[in-house]
Amino acid sequence: GQNIDQPTEMTATEGAIVQINCTYQTSGFNGLFWYQQHAGEAPTFLSYNVLDGLEEKGRFSSFLSRSKGYSYLLLKELQMKDSASYLCAVRGRGSTLGRLYFGRGTQLTVWP
Amino acid sequence: DSGVTQTPKHLITATGQRVTLRCSPRSGDLSVYWYQQSLDQGLQFLIQYYNGEERAKGNILERFSAQQFPDLHSELNLSSLELGDSALYFCASSEQGTDTQYFGPGTRLTVL
Repeated sequence: GQNIDQPTEMTATEGAIVQINCTYQTSGFNGLFWYQQHAGEAPTFLSYNVLDGLEEKGRFSSFLSRSKGYSYLLLKELQMKDSASYLCAVRGRGSTLGRLYFGRGTQLTVWP
Repeated sequence: DSGVTQTPKHLITATGQRVTLRCSPRSGDLSVYWYQQSLDQGLQFLIQYYNGEERAKGNILERFSAQQFPDLHSELNLSSLELGDSALYFCASSEQGTDTQYFGPGTRLTVL
């Protein structure tokens, strides 16, 4: 089975840094994705990790430790528009290759 | 704009009815995925097609069916609709190589 956990809610202030954690237990692993989703809109791809380590992309970075089943998304220089839900998703292997298993999402609120 | 298109944007119908949701993948993408997102369930994988063939099945009800046509667009058919089928339905397509999934804007289905 697949189990993906992330905090339900987080708050932070504009200009700050926030780290959103994701832990996973899956029967197979072939990559971890982070998506951003504003209310009522489509999930938007943010990052992809398949090897251990940090991937940096502008204000957003994502980290993966496969041995610990752990990832985090780091958002720097927060802006009001970063208020959204952040979804962690794991891609399966073998017969489940391609399909993504999503966490319930972390609702981030950025205050001025 | 991800390049994935979905129609209609909104759909309001009654219990017991049947509806068809349509999706066109990004140019060049062969895989299409369907997801259901409701408030209490998060983003749930329904089914995947690759180049016209069913590739993987998730928690898709027997009342639901899908297909992918030779021009690669896909349709999701929902029949004998129930109140609990009210949700956002997303289609995604994936690029070869990383298999990163890009989501369409979704169809909001309301069953009254």
